[in-house]
This record gives sequence, C-alpha cells and structure tokens, in this order.
Amino acid sequence: DTEVTQTPKHLVMGMTNKKSLKCEQHMGHRAMYWYKQKAKKPPELMFVYSYEKLSINESVPSRFSPECPNSSLLNLHLHALQPEDSALYLCASSQEVNRGSTGELFFGEGSRLTVL
Amino acid sequence: AQSVTQLGSHVSVSEGALVLLRCNYSSSVPPYLFWYVQYPNKGLQLLLKYTSAATLVKGINGFEAEFKKSETSFHLTKPSAHMSDAAEYFCAVSRGGSQGNLIFGKGTKLSVKP
Repeated sequence: DTEVTQTPKHLVMGMTNKKSLKCEQHMGHRAMYWYKQKAKKPPELMFVYSYEKLSINESVPSRFSPECPNSSLLNLHLHALQPEDSALYLCASSQEVNRGSTGELFFGEGSRLTVL
Repeated sequence: AQSVTQLGSHVSVSEGALVLLRCNYSSSVPPYLFWYVQYPNKGLQLLLKYTSAATLVKGINGFEAEFKKSETSFHLTKPSAHMSDAAEYFCAVSRGGSQGNLIFGKGTKLSVKP
C-alpha cells in the first residue's frame, strides 16, 4: 500500500466548477510535489513545496492553485479548467530537499480528472 | 542539465524470456538514477535506485540494473519475464542537491506474451 494518499481517485467537473484534489503523507517528508500525467506520457512536474513553501512552479496556468496547509497535506485547487486539463494528477513526497537528498519520490495512486 | 533517454517506447517479450529495458542518461554531475513502474491507472512505484553505493543495483520483483559510467547507461533487466510484469517503465534522474525532483524518460511499455 502506498504511503501517499490521494483523494478523490476520480473527479469529473465542468469548466465552470471549482474543485480540489487532496494529498496526504505521514512519512515525515518535508517536500511535496504535484505532477500531471497525460495518457502514454511521462509525468510532468507542476509544483514543488519545500518546508511548506512553494519552491518550484513550472509555469503552470493560474487555474491551478496549490496549497500546503502543513507538512503532511498538499492540495490542488482547480477552477475554470479546460478539457485539455483532463489527466492523471499525481502527488509525491520526498525527504528534505537539501544537499544530502537523493531525490527519491514516493508517489500516490493519482487522481483521474476529467473536464467536460 | 540532466536528462534521460529510453530506447524503445514498446518492448514485447515472451513469458520466461529475458527483459531488457534501456536507459541512457546525461548528467554533468554524478547522477542519482531510478527506475519506476506504473501499472494501468496506478501511481508510480519505485523498482530500484542508484545512489553511487554499488554499480549493480537489485530491486523488487526480481529486477536489477547496472550503472555503467563509461556508457552513461542504466539498463533494467530481469532474467525471466512474468505476465504480471506487463506495465509502463520509467527511467528517471534526480537533480538532487537543492532541487529534489525527478526528470523522467518517455517511458517504455513492456508487454509479456504467454
């Protein structure tokens, strides 16, 4: 069983809806990530939080809004999405992002998003 | 800048045959390298990782990979394929240091024929 839990597993939303994806980990990791994965493609990095602060935003459109309420939780708020945003959204965590980190990521099972 | 290239987007083997999935990396510093597996509609699971401790790395489910600096390769192998090995496999390199996120290859889909 994965130690990174994502909810919901499936989400269908209209272009005018507001919804959120949630991610939780209890491994004591201080870095958390959002990746987007389209069918038959590798995951693409969206955001990185380190010690609850946003450290990387890979030029993601503002209709995606991340939030890290505490070191165990990561949210992705969705508003006014487009059909092309339909994808599998993966959350991941890792140990402290510092000089000693190997960068190994622990992934959740993902949230499958469909935008109508 | 780091990058990885996976040769072959689709590999098909017979059950019991050798599995060989190829990955070459480009890195200006000693890399951390990973192989992840993804089953349909699932997240990514770590198979094994190279972090400079040993060049031959053993992972889960009978997989192993050998780091070859002279060839800049980190190929994944398994002596005998099982039907349950059918999945997508991603090679990845870590930026490490202050930016602990992964750069993924394009993936190789492994099919196993009975």
